[in-house]
Formats: sequence, structure tokens, C-alpha cells
Amino acid sequence: AQKITQTQPGMFVQEKEAVTLDCTYDTSDPSYGLFWYKQPSSGEMIFLIYQGSYDQQNATEGRYSLNFQKARKSANLVISASQLGDSAMYFCAMREGLSGAQKLVFGQGTRLTINP
Amino acid sequence: DAGVTQSPTHLIKTRGQHVTLRCSPISGHKSVSWYQQVLGQGPQFIFQYYEKEERGRGNFPDRFSARQFPNYSSELNVNALLLGDSALYLCASSLLPSTDTQYFGPGTRLTVL
Repeated sequence: AQKITQTQPGMFVQEKEAVTLDCTYDTSDPSYGLFWYKQPSSGEMIFLIYQGSYDQQNATEGRYSLNFQKARKSANLVISASQLGDSAMYFCAMREGLSGAQKLVFGQGTRLTINP
Repeated sequence: DAGVTQSPTHLIKTRGQHVTLRCSPISGHKSVSWYQQVLGQGPQFIFQYYEKEERGRGNFPDRFSARQFPNYSSELNVNALLLGDSALYLCASSLLPSTDTQYFGPGTRLTVL
């Protein structure tokens, strides 16, 4: 079974609009972390935002916020006021547990295109 | 501060050859992880090393091996290359192996002909 599901292969948004990228996850571990990374065409994975399973508030980092709904097992990324430079692949990833190896499990990604 | 660096940037090999990929973590980071990203998919975990010890291994054959050096840099070795090994190989570093955010390097794009 897929541990991380990103159901939107591609998204097209007008510049300056807000965009929500969907991510659902599956785990039975009570301790986990959820990450979003951005991958431009150059290939480098850029860390955007992190949400821990015990965090009470939704994470925010500048224009990025994470809409964390624990009961629904969803961790959607919201980008406010999108910019042309936001065009890239976006990956949701999960780390399970607090000990041992930090193995990140990634979704298939969503390709975001910002139109001028 | 410099980020994670990887070398080489691109590499072309033929089937059956072996390859060594190199990674230098962010200064102060002691944990290095390796991921394989096949075109059109998300990265898949290969190895994690911390303080020169293997902390975890993904579902990859024994042709894949890695090591970490005293300066925390790391090498990924792949023997008997197959066409299916063509991928972007990403290295990530973190302060500690279990709970910290992993920061990725630019990757090495390996093409096997």
C-alpha cells in the first residue's frame, strides 16, 4: 500500500494566486514527521516545511503553510501568492518513528506550473 | 555555509561497469543518506550512515554499497551496472540520523548504456 499519496500529477495556477497541493499518508506509528520538498528542473530537492505528528499548530514558513489534518491523515501544502519561480515538482515525504534510520518515504510528486 | 555537495554531476557508464559517487555533507552534519530517483518517480531510500556506521538500508540489491569517512563524507558504490540503475542519485545530510530534517545535494545523474 502506498504510504504517501499525491493525487495531482500536475497543477496549473495563475501567478499571484494561492495553490494547494494535496498529500495523504498512511501509518500506524503515532510518531512521524511530514515534509514537503521542491525539486526544480536542476534536480536538487529543496526543503520547504516540516510538520511533526505531535505538533499542535500547523507549520508555516514564509509563503508556505501546511494544512495538517491528523484524523484525515492529510498534510496539504499551501503556497500563497504564487510566483513564476514556484514552478517545479513538489514532493510530500514521511518519516516514521523517532529512532533508528530516518528513512524518508516520498510520494510520486505534483508538477506545479505557474502561468504569468 | 556550503550546502551538500556531490560529485560528479553527470556520469555515463556501460552495463557491467561499476561506479562511485561522492557526497560531502553540510558542515557539522554527521548523518548522510542516499536516495535513488528514477525518472518520473519520487526518491527511494538506499542507505543511511551515521558516525561511519550503517543505520539503515532500503530494498536494494547487494550490488549497492556505501561507506562514510571520518570527515563524514560518503561514497556510494554500485557494481555490475544495469540499465535500470540509470537515475538521479541524491545525497542528503542531517545533524542526527533520526529526527532532523534532511537537506539534499544537487544529485549525480547516472546514465547506463
